[in-house]
Amino acid sequence: DIQMTQSPSTLSVSVGDRVTITCRASQSISSWLAWYQQKPGKAPKLLIYKASSLETGVPSRFSGSGSGTEFTLTISSLQPDDFATYFCQQYNSYPWTFGQGTKVEIK
Amino acid sequence: QVQLVQSGAEVKKPGASVKLSCKASGYTFTRNAIHWVRQAPGQRLEWMGWINAGNGNTRYSQKFQGRVTITRDTSATTGYMELKNLRSEDTAVYYCARDDGGTLDKWGLGTLVTVSS
Repeated sequence: DIQMTQSPSTLSVSVGDRVTITCRASQSISSWLAWYQQKPGKAPKLLIYKASSLETGVPSRFSGSGSGTEFTLTISSLQPDDFATYFCQQYNSYPWTFGQGTKVEIK
Repeated sequence: QVQLVQSGAEVKKPGASVKLSCKASGYTFTRNAIHWVRQAPGQRLEWMGWINAGNGNTRYSQKFQGRVTITRDTSATTGYMELKNLRSEDTAVYYCARDDGGTLDKWGLGTLVTVSS
């Protein structure tokens, strides 16, 4: 199975900060990576697919980059609605696997 | 709008089975696969398997092979996930999600399954 490792596990940030979350795959997954946002008691929300494609309706302050084994999710200017947990997921091969999540909390 | 409405919380004893449902609306049900993903307390999300809602083909994670069965009812636009021989480690929130070209673009709110004697 492909292991997905996110860093950091927790980020303490302020509104307006630039946020960067990293996801590493244990082997190459080309660009078959998605990013999701999850808030307590809510369904996960797709933000980015194919490493860098923005899902329809997702604000442009979210962006993704990377290929192979290293990927990044960037929030250019954190907004109050962005405090949540973010996780990556590879869909290069079965079983699909997820990162452990990065919690973005208020500083 | 696309919605996936999942069945309510379940409490089961070890060794029992549970069958969860996922009612889809707002799109043509047979055009997209449905996946099942679970999250145990304090753990990362874990992919269990999927079903092609059009032809009924399935694929399961090796971890759950033999214990999980994913089905669908096209007339009811509903997907189902049955997990047998439950153990305490199966206590988790179970999500269904729609597959749109390989990514999970819409998710249900999840169903909490508690396995306890």
